[in-house]
Amino acid sequence: AQKITQTQPGMFVQEKEAVTLDCTYDTSDPSYGLFWYKQPSSGEMIFLIYQGSYDQQNATEGRYSLNFQKARKSANLVISASQLGDSAMYFCAMTPSLGGTGYSTLTFGKGTMLLVSP
Amino acid sequence: DTAVSQTPKYLVTQMGNDKSIKCEQNLGHDTMYWYKQDSKKFLKIMFSYNNKELIINETVPNRFSPKSPDKAHLNLHINSLELGDSAVYFCATGGPYNEQFFGPGTRLTVL
Repeated sequence: AQKITQTQPGMFVQEKEAVTLDCTYDTSDPSYGLFWYKQPSSGEMIFLIYQGSYDQQNATEGRYSLNFQKARKSANLVISASQLGDSAMYFCAMTPSLGGTGYSTLTFGKGTMLLVSP
Repeated sequence: DTAVSQTPKYLVTQMGNDKSIKCEQNLGHDTMYWYKQDSKKFLKIMFSYNNKELIINETVPNRFSPKSPDKAHLNLHINSLELGDSAVYFCATGGPYNEQFFGPGTRLTVL
């Protein structure tokens, strides 16, 4: 069974500062995928970034980067230069396998609410 | 064009009624999912379909019945609605890395 833990119920950051959202995971699967999603107050789920367990380099997508530390089983999301529009709930998630199976469900953490102030 | 669409966006109904939520995806993926997000924002998988076949059913009451007429559509029918069914229901479809693209969600309120 897989488990995702997000220990920060809420985070506050000032505009233009960087922020790190914590995520730790537990799995016995030899390979897995890690994801971050953003859910703004409007409710939609927005895919942000993906990291495969065998990827040597940390994933980056624009202002988002995933700090993957496999030995520590952590997959923290780093948002650089925060913007007001980054205020949202952020979910860390994982699947038990890498791409190709076609059907691997996501296990989600409880989320971290990020508030960006001017 | 919206990649994953759901209708309706809001659904308010009385206990005991039967209702359906429709989902369509135009990404051409074989796999579709239903997730439930409860009042505490916790997301949990309900069903997974691959090419119209049920793959995963995560101990969901049998009042919930998914139906996939083709691989672009996955509908969710709920019989005898209960107060505890109030939640946001998300349809999703899978990408090449098993990332999932979600629909806008359907907020179901059972009175």
